[in-house]
Amino acid sequence: NAGVTQTPKFQVLKTGQSMTLQCAQDMNHEYMSWYRQDPGMGLRLIHYSVGAGITDQGEVPNGYNVSRSTTEDFPLRLLSAAPSQTSVYFCASSPGTGSISTQYFGPGTRLTVL
Amino acid sequence: EDKVVQSPLSLVVHEGDTVTLNCSYEVTNFRSLLWYKQEKKAPTFLFMLTSSGIEKKSGRLSSILDKKELFSILNITATQTGDSAIYLCAVNSGGSNYKLTFGKGTLLTVNP
Repeated sequence: NAGVTQTPKFQVLKTGQSMTLQCAQDMNHEYMSWYRQDPGMGLRLIHYSVGAGITDQGEVPNGYNVSRSTTEDFPLRLLSAAPSQTSVYFCASSPGTGSISTQYFGPGTRLTVL
Repeated sequence: EDKVVQSPLSLVVHEGDTVTLNCSYEVTNFRSLLWYKQEKKAPTFLFMLTSSGIEKKSGRLSSILDKKELFSILNITATQTGDSAIYLCAVNSGGSNYKLTFGKGTLLTVNP
């Protein structure tokens, strides 16, 4: 049981490049989400999903796309990276039985956009 | 817009001290409040609170919620250097069962 895994751990991009941050969980959780964490800002919700095929926007969705084709995977796509997207990105999952409960966080991806 | 405010933003104490961290919120349709501890990497879950006045306890950590005054506190007694971390408060509220709004966190440093 690996919990929530994220790849890569570190990434450096140039402005305008695109990439996908991977997130997977093996706990059969319905709910998955992506957050970004910037210094002094806490965690801000980017996108979330309440089940396969269902996604919705969070607080800061601009510049990011998501899809949820399987229960296990929830990739986050940066379409055209900008320096403002330099951040630490966390994926989280929750059993989601009707409402938010304990969220399990992945180890994070540290992204730098030059 | 939902708001979660934590105070203080940072705190430095000596081992053995007791600390109280605060979290106040202004949200629509409150559902639950969660506390997390974040050391170098991902946040780890501490407590989830849904009812006023019921203390949750785990070892030296305890937390309580006041839904009338819209705040929660996290107490840590007999602090140790391993308690040094960012403590995050988050609230589940609004029309979705699944969205969390986080505060900015309290950075706690425990010196030997």
